[in-house]
Amino acid sequence: AQTVTQSQPEMSVQEAETVTLSCTYDTSESDYYLFWYKQPPSRQMILVIRQEAYKQQNATENRFSVNFQKAAKSFSLKISDSQLGDAAMYFCAYRSGNSGYSTLTFGKGTMLLVSP
Amino acid sequence: DTGVSQNPRHKITKRGQNVTFRCDPISEHNRLYWYRQTLGQGPEFLTYFQNEAQLEKSRLLSDRFSAERPKGSFSTLEIQRTEQGDSAMYLCASSRTVGTEAFFGQGTRLTVV
Repeated sequence: AQTVTQSQPEMSVQEAETVTLSCTYDTSESDYYLFWYKQPPSRQMILVIRQEAYKQQNATENRFSVNFQKAAKSFSLKISDSQLGDAAMYFCAYRSGNSGYSTLTFGKGTMLLVSP
Repeated sequence: DTGVSQNPRHKITKRGQNVTFRCDPISEHNRLYWYRQTLGQGPEFLTYFQNEAQLEKSRLLSDRFSAERPKGSFSTLEIQRTEQGDSAMYLCASSRTVGTEAFFGQGTRLTVV
């Protein structure tokens, strides 16, 4: 079974600064997808960024980028130029590339606090 | 289309009562998922449907839990004889097909007293 570990229960950053959230995972599969989801308080979870395991290039979405280290099974999220609206719980998630298994396995989450 | 809709948003029930939650997915999405999220944890998979067929159930889904998706549209999740340990946020998500992004609803927060 796959597992996802987020070792930072909480992180703090000041506006305009950069923060990195850590995620490691364990799998025996070679084909899979990794995701970062954002869950603001009392609001729905939204996808921030995704990475296909077969792609060597790290995914980037505006101020959000990942550092995907396949051999180390590490998938960190970097948020640049942090904004107050980035404050939320962030979840790292794994999904098998096997078409018969499309469910997500989540980590416990990292609460990101953003201060002015 | 306004995304995945879940009702009710909050439910307080007494232990031993039955509760039912509803999820309306995005209209063209044929895959629908249920997850449970307890305080301080990430969402945990419960079950999923492709159209009206329930394809997978987690071992977390005890006999007291049942889910349906008649006609492949909305889905209901029923919990019978609720226990305090059932208190959690129940999340629904949908996706167009396998491999595409899953969109989440705002969840139903269940409190069993």
